[in-house]
Amino acid sequence: SAVISQKPSRDICQRGTSLTIQCQVDSQVTMMFWYRQQPGQSLTLIATANQGSEATYESGFVIDKFPISRPNLTFSTLTVSNMSPEDSSIYLCSVGTGRWETQYFGPGTRLLVL
Amino acid sequence: GQQVMQIPQYQHVQEGEDFTTYCNSSTTLSNIQWYKQRPGGHPVFLIQLVKSGEVKKQKRLTFQFGEAKKNSSLHITATQTTDVGTYFCAGPVGNMLTFGGGTRLMVKP
Repeated sequence: SAVISQKPSRDICQRGTSLTIQCQVDSQVTMMFWYRQQPGQSLTLIATANQGSEATYESGFVIDKFPISRPNLTFSTLTVSNMSPEDSSIYLCSVGTGRWETQYFGPGTRLLVL
Repeated sequence: GQQVMQIPQYQHVQEGEDFTTYCNSSTTLSNIQWYKQRPGGHPVFLIQLVKSGEVKKQKRLTFQFGEAKKNSSLHITATQTTDVGTYFCAGPVGNMLTFGGGTRLMVKP
């Protein structure tokens, strides 16, 4: 399976600021996804990162709040904009061959917003 | 509402005891996947089941997919402290892979 890295691994941010999270994969992959895992909770899909086009967002998530880029088949970024304490979560990128197929997750970015 | 449900939410066991987590879906699933997340870690894929009534084993872990393809279970025989973590099932619902709420397993040595 692909090796996935994320930067930063963790951060503490002030409310009202923005943070960009990077996801790098060591090989070209078809599908890249961004998930949020709130403390003690399950995983919720934020969006599918599409190479060369706008991301596909799930219900409850919007581009203004979570802009996503995917310039090529090995890299994607997720920005958490105008943060509030409710955005404190683990943000995980994942790769897979399809939306319903096995997901391989990056190590996650642990975000605390004060 | 949540369409893939897991029970129990938490389970404490003594090392050496068995453990089972159950996953139920409101709809028929084309496949069911299981993941393990260690404390402080990220979800790691364990297995995928596709066929009705399928049973797969990985050492002390036994995975089952129900005949109606709406439920699944993960059974761990003789738990060890290395089994600690949260176990998630996930299935295709609508246009995405939907994760259950997870079962957090704690093992007392």
